[in-house]
Amino acid sequence: VQLVESGGGLVKPGGSLRLSCAASGFTFSTYSMNWVRQAPGKGLEWVSSISPSSSYIYYADSLKGRFTISRDNVKNSLYLQMDTLSAEDTAVYYCAREPPNWGSHYFDSWGRGTLVTVSS
Amino acid sequence: DIVMTQSPDSLAVSLGERATINCKSSQSLLYSSDNKNNLAWYQQKPRQPPKLLIYWASTRESGVPDRFSGSGSGTDFTLTISSLQAEDVAVYYCQQYYGTPPWTFGQGTKVEIK
Repeated sequence: VQLVESGGGLVKPGGSLRLSCAASGFTFSTYSMNWVRQAPGKGLEWVSSISPSSSYIYYADSLKGRFTISRDNVKNSLYLQMDTLSAEDTAVYYCAREPPNWGSHYFDSWGRGTLVTVSS
Repeated sequence: DIVMTQSPDSLAVSLGERATINCKSSQSLLYSSDNKNNLAWYQQKPRQPPKLLIYWASTRESGVPDRFSGSGSGTDFTLTISSLQAEDVAVYYCQQYYGTPPWTFGQGTKVEIK
């Protein structure tokens, strides 16, 4: 199992960024996927999740509709479109997989993360 | 949202001694239909992503040393490292996955060597 995030970087407040997560080593289309973030020196914060067929999508309330999760099961990729970014969104963003069993909403595989820095 | 509170925030334990981390949820994580507690534990070492240690409160992930164990039910849970090794220095997080999102984590507990 391998999850590789990309797309992070420095962006100005109010700007946008699109993160990607390339999955390999497992049947991506059968797993729910998540984004979890970690601000510098802080704890873990769940951001968003998407079911295998994109039928169920959830977001943290704190995002206030600024982020959009999506996936491409042909390209084995997960995405996070982030708009109207603020300094509070500065964090390492991890892509994380849920096991396929019903109700198993914990994270058994994680990528190494991509750093998003929002600063002028 | 379910609030997860860990204690202590940090602890220092001698090599070979027991380390105990507590996690309390603001509501029960026990599903009566299957009698499972929807709680997981993770280990995060510096500059690394989190690693799953325990799920369903007490089921050890494959490959995790048996010195790590999880216990508890309802709203009170414990992660125990029976004999602390140098490689166990890390921050440990609990996470609840009861019902529907948001999934929430505890604030983390830093484990160091005394």
